[in-house]
Amino acid sequence: NAGVMQNPRHLVRRRGQEARLRCSPMKGHSHVYWYRQLPEEGLKFMVYLQKENIIDESGMPKERFSAEFPKEGPSILRIQQVVRGDSAAYFCASSPQTENEAFFGQGTRLTVV
Amino acid sequence: QQQVKQSPQSLIVQKGGISIINCAYENTAFDYFPWYQQFPGKGPALLIAIRPDVSEKKEGRFTISFNKSAKQFSLHIMDSQPGDSATYFCAAYNFGNEKLTFGTGTRLTIIP
Repeated sequence: NAGVMQNPRHLVRRRGQEARLRCSPMKGHSHVYWYRQLPEEGLKFMVYLQKENIIDESGMPKERFSAEFPKEGPSILRIQQVVRGDSAAYFCASSPQTENEAFFGQGTRLTVV
Repeated sequence: QQQVKQSPQSLIVQKGGISIINCAYENTAFDYFPWYQQFPGKGPALLIAIRPDVSEKKEGRFTISFNKSAKQFSLHIMDSQPGDSATYFCAAYNFGNEKLTFGTGTRLTIIP
């Protein structure tokens, strides 16, 4: 049973490009969470999704950021027109329905140059 | 708005000593309190967790103490080992909105 899979592990983008981060939850998990971790800081909640639905996006910046979790395929966190301040580690976590234990992926480290 | 406050930011403990990390929360809707351990380059991994109807939970060298009236909880690592060197995050979970809120993390270093 593979864990939460995130890819790519490392992503370098020039300012103004788009970044697409993928997260495949653990088998049987229908809840996906995205978190951002800036260097030397904690984990900041971004968005919580269930299949085809955004449940809570209160941590998402209002512009340039979007997330989806389609019926088929991985969850995608999309950052348009990236800026240097977007450089961070982005972690995805998944959990089964109604469970409180979230399992994290290895993260995607985004560097904007 | 920081709903879960964690301290200290960094901690150095001698091998064999006790490491203590503290967290405090504000929202009484939180009803599950996990601790996560994160090694460099890795994602956080669940270490131990407690529900508010219990005052203490112990798993091996790791113990959570919970004070519901003070809205505080802490992680104790007994007989700390160099392999325990990592960043530790406390978290609080709200079953109502199913959101996990993290503390800012404590970087623990165990020295020989």
